[in-house]
Amino acid sequence: NAGVTQTPKFQVLKTGQSMTLQCAQDMNHEYMSWYRQDPGMGLRLIHYSVGAGITDQGEVPNGYNVSRSTTEDFPLRLLSAAPSQTSVYFCASSVGESSYEQYFGPGTRLTVT
Amino acid sequence: AQKVTQAQTEISVVEKEDVTLDCVYETRDTTYYLFWYKQPPSGELVFLIRRNSFDEQNEISGRYSWNFQKSTSSFNFTITASQVVDSAVYFCALSSHQTGANNLFFGTGTRLTVIP
Repeated sequence: NAGVTQTPKFQVLKTGQSMTLQCAQDMNHEYMSWYRQDPGMGLRLIHYSVGAGITDQGEVPNGYNVSRSTTEDFPLRLLSAAPSQTSVYFCASSVGESSYEQYFGPGTRLTVT
Repeated sequence: AQKVTQAQTEISVVEKEDVTLDCVYETRDTTYYLFWYKQPPSGELVFLIRRNSFDEQNEISGRYSWNFQKSTSSFNFTITASQVVDSAVYFCALSSHQTGANNLFFGTGTRLTVIP
């Protein structure tokens, strides 16, 4: 099993550009989520999904969009990148909701100039 | 409101010393779950332990041990005989069952440096 995979590993965007961070898991997990990690702030939940076709907002959803068309994939879209979105993004999955162990992907380091 | 506080931003110890990482949490829910994750210099996040609010038994796994005390809302993590490979950022996290059931709240992390 590959576990949770994320692409790309690094990305540089200009302000106003849009892009999609990819996340996939091969463990048949229902719950998937996106976090951003900023220095001194720990990880904060952006969006999550409890199954295909179901998504909801986390703590810091503004500027991001998600969809879940399959169990395996949970892409995160930046609609119009801003310097405040410079961060490391982690995708995670688990067998159930957030009360279960989360399996994290390797992260995507995004810089917005 | 749910909140996790890790007051120790950075800790340095000499190899073979014991070290305790503190975690204090806030929640109004009676059912909740506490976690510790490790983030080594390579950047990935590694699950260490999950504990539910009804199980206050302390847990030991090799050199790692966890002390869960509901009376003080703390879930502290002790590494015995620390090693250089323990150098990492450690995060404590809280998930409550009733409010914000699908949100996992992380503390700001404690960076542990083990000096050889």
